Amino acid sequence: GAVVSQHPSWVICKSGTSVKIECRSLDFQATTMFWYRQFPKQSLMLMATSNEGSKATYEQGVEKDKFLINHASLTLSTLTVTSAHPEDSSFYICSARAGQVNQPQHFGDGTRLSIL
Amino acid sequence: EDKVVQSPLSLVVHEGDTVTLNCSYEVTNFRSLLWYKQEKKAPTFLFMLTSSGIEKKSGRLSSILDKKELFSILNITATQTGDSAIYLCATNAGGTSYGKLTFGQGTILTVHP
Repeated sequence: GAVVSQHPSWVICKSGTSVKIECRSLDFQATTMFWYRQFPKQSLMLMATSNEGSKATYEQGVEKDKFLINHASLTLSTLTVTSAHPEDSSFYICSARAGQVNQPQHFGDGTRLSIL
Repeated sequence: EDKVVQSPLSLVVHEGDTVTLNCSYEVTNFRSLLWYKQEKKAPTFLFMLTSSGIEKKSGRLSSILDKKELFSILNITATQTGDSAIYLCATNAGGTSYGKLTFGQGTILTVHP
């Protein structure tokens, strides 16, 4: 149980393109989903917390107009990187948590984004 | 600001060795500590610890939490090449950090045949 699917797994696109990444909880309802960014050989950095039906809460230093998050249902959250530039190239990972805050987060397989 | 520190940052061992990974934390409103294993993709959940002194065990992996000294250890016995991965420790806190995970830097474990 507790499977999180993330799509696509790899994206290569030109500078200026907007890229949408989907995160789905397959066998549970996720009231809260999280979006992380990970640079090579570094740990996960939380970008934003997404609660179903409400606006995402962004961490300090993360541009909300650059990284648009939508959590329209209990099983789907999307992250759109708008007008992507090479510095946005990174590994983006989502996680989902079912119910209470003391439940573990389960992670998707991540999306490797490369902007040329 | 909440802080999670893991040591060592990297470790190279041979198959059959036993390893101990460390995680210390300074967290306001601590709720739980979690261990994850990350191979090529995203982290997979190993353990969640909320109480001191109670060992959690899964096969060759075990973990324990000390809330007085603010640390946790992850033990792997009889290591195998498939144990090679980044092991991440994270804390789950309440208050203004409610529900968010704060991750340590990770320990890169390499197991040679």
